[in-house]
Amino acid sequence: GQNIDQPTEMTATEGAIVQINCTYQTSGFNGLFWYQQHAGEAPTFLSYNVLDGLEEKGRFSSFLSRSKGYSYLLLKELQMKDSASYLCVCMDSNYQLIWGAGTKLIIKP
Amino acid sequence: TAGITQAPTSQILAAGRSMTLRCTQDMRHNAMYWYRQDLGLGLRLIHYSNTAGTTGKGEVPDGYSVSRANTDDFPLTLASAVPSQTSVYFCASSSTGTGGTEAFFGQGTRLTVV
Repeated sequence: GQNIDQPTEMTATEGAIVQINCTYQTSGFNGLFWYQQHAGEAPTFLSYNVLDGLEEKGRFSSFLSRSKGYSYLLLKELQMKDSASYLCVCMDSNYQLIWGAGTKLIIKP
Repeated sequence: TAGITQAPTSQILAAGRSMTLRCTQDMRHNAMYWYRQDLGLGLRLIHYSNTAGTTGKGEVPDGYSVSRANTDDFPLTLASAVPSQTSVYFCASSSTGTGGTEAFFGQGTRLTVV
């Protein structure tokens, strides 16, 4: 079956760095997305990886290892506004998006 | 710029009643989607449409129907609501249904079936 695993909740300190891991098993693979979702709001796009390696975008970076079925989202210089859920999403061979349940990130001062 | 708009924002619906959730996008995206989001679960795809005139079933289609008469609109209908359909519903669109194109989401409809 298809499965996305990511931690349910993480806590980090303002100004620090946090890494949110995601492992996946899908029927084929056409890339992996990370979305951010603040409470009560819609998800918004953060990143897309289809090749192995690191994609950096400002304070956020996303890494992919296709052979390991593994990705992580790295957030640097954490700000209070980064408190949100982070959703790991895979696109399978039929171009369907398989969504993880999300990691709720709590930032403490 | 509107992007993608859902209506209503929230609704309380009596079980057995029908309801249509509206979704409109002005980005001329080919692909549109309806998801439901429940606590502790990832977004689950209800129905999708890769282009106007075509629709497909997602992971949890039972009890829901959709139509795609034109590019902009993608309404979701609950023919006879049941309490298990209490959820937050998100409509989304993307330029294509393939590749790494990001999906844009509406603000969501919070539906409570009592």
